Amino acid sequence: DAKTTQPNSMESNEEEPVHLPCNHSTISGTDYIHWYRQLPSQGPEYVIHGLTSNVNNRMASLAIAEDRKSSTLILHRATLRDAAVYYCIHPTNQFYFGTGTSLTVIP
Amino acid sequence: DGGITQSPKYLFRKEGQNVTLSCEQNLNHDAMYWYRQDPGQGLRLIYYSQIVNDFQKGDIAEGYSVSREKKESFPLTVTSAQKNPTAFYLCASSIPGTGAAGSYNEQFFGPGTRLTVL
Repeated sequence: DAKTTQPNSMESNEEEPVHLPCNHSTISGTDYIHWYRQLPSQGPEYVIHGLTSNVNNRMASLAIAEDRKSSTLILHRATLRDAAVYYCIHPTNQFYFGTGTSLTVIP
Repeated sequence: DGGITQSPKYLFRKEGQNVTLSCEQNLNHDAMYWYRQDPGQGLRLIYYSQIVNDFQKGDIAEGYSVSREKKESFPLTVTSAQKNPTAFYLCASSIPGTGAAGSYNEQFFGPGTRLTVL
């Protein structure tokens, strides 16, 4: 079944880095991993996506394991505005947004 | 300023009434989607449309109906047949299929409509 596994919740102190893990053991060699986040009472928004090598954009970095069975979304300095649910989307099922990881940022 | 809008933000209806949720986008996207989200849960796909005048059922289509007469609009009707309609409804749009590199295209979401059936 094309699903991902993420921890239900994580906490981080403000201005510290956060590493959000995702397992996607059924991924194939040409499948991209996408990450979205959902702020409270809002629709999800795209964060980043990647295939093999690490990816960076203005919002976050994505580190993909060499065997591609897992990836980690990295927020380099967590802010209070980063408190959200983060979804790792399996590439073969773009419509599956599971429960994600709820990130709490502590001031 | 391109985007996707949903209205209203909050909607209250009496049990047994049909209600239509609006979704409009000016991103020139061919594909549009409707999701339902219950408290503390992920998103579940209700219906999707890859092109005007065509749409397909998602995982939880029972009790819902849609139309796609215009590229910009994809209204969702919650019918009285939906047993538990109270939820947060999200509309999204995208360029259909995958991009040149093989990655499927990003979905752009609206702000959502919170429907409460009394």
